[in-house]
Amino acid sequence: AQSVTQPDIHITVSEGASLELRCNYSYGATPYLFWYVQSPGQGLQLLLKYFSGDTLVQGIKGFEAEFKRSQSSFNLRKPSVHWSDAAEYFCAVGADNQGGKLIFGQGTELSVKP
Amino acid sequence: DAGVIQSPRHEVTEMGQEVTLRCKPISGHDYLFWYRQTMMRGLELLIYFNNNVPIDDSGMPEDRFSAKMPNASFSTLKIQPSEPRDSAVYFCASSLRPRGDTIYFGEGSWLTVV
Repeated sequence: AQSVTQPDIHITVSEGASLELRCNYSYGATPYLFWYVQSPGQGLQLLLKYFSGDTLVQGIKGFEAEFKRSQSSFNLRKPSVHWSDAAEYFCAVGADNQGGKLIFGQGTELSVKP
Repeated sequence: DAGVIQSPRHEVTEMGQEVTLRCKPISGHDYLFWYRQTMMRGLELLIYFNNNVPIDDSGMPEDRFSAKMPNASFSTLKIQPSEPRDSAVYFCASSLRPRGDTIYFGEGSWLTVV
């Protein structure tokens, strides 16, 4: 069965520092991969998605992610974190034979120190 | 577009009462999803519809939960009778296509059963 693992439950970075959030997936078919962000009390907002093609995808708010098939990973990065980036981040995987279903990771909570 | 609209945003109810959560998807979206978010289990897909027809309800926890989509612009998730362990945030989401398309989330219905 497919699964998504986000190894880091909570990460704290200093404002202006770089960020990498890890995501590993397990799925036999060609995956579609997503990163969503959730601010407190809010719904989920899509940051970026990967379907095919260039393995480095750019998203909103200066985020990017790289799909590495050999490592089954889709890590999220940002070169310089802003205080407003503090939120919870979810990696999700979908696939052709799963209709519209997305499987979400447990999430990584990001705190930003001034 | 107004996005996915959910109501109520917050509900506190007593154990044993019936709870009805409502959702209006984005106009033109053929897929509608109900997710539940808890600290323990993260984001779980409960059920999803395509063109108002339930496609996969394998995530519905038990018979106390039911979901309907009487038309393309309205869906309900009902819990009867409610129990304290149903306390969670319930998200409705919609998308245009099933495969790899962006799923847009509502802001959630925060349910507390006491």
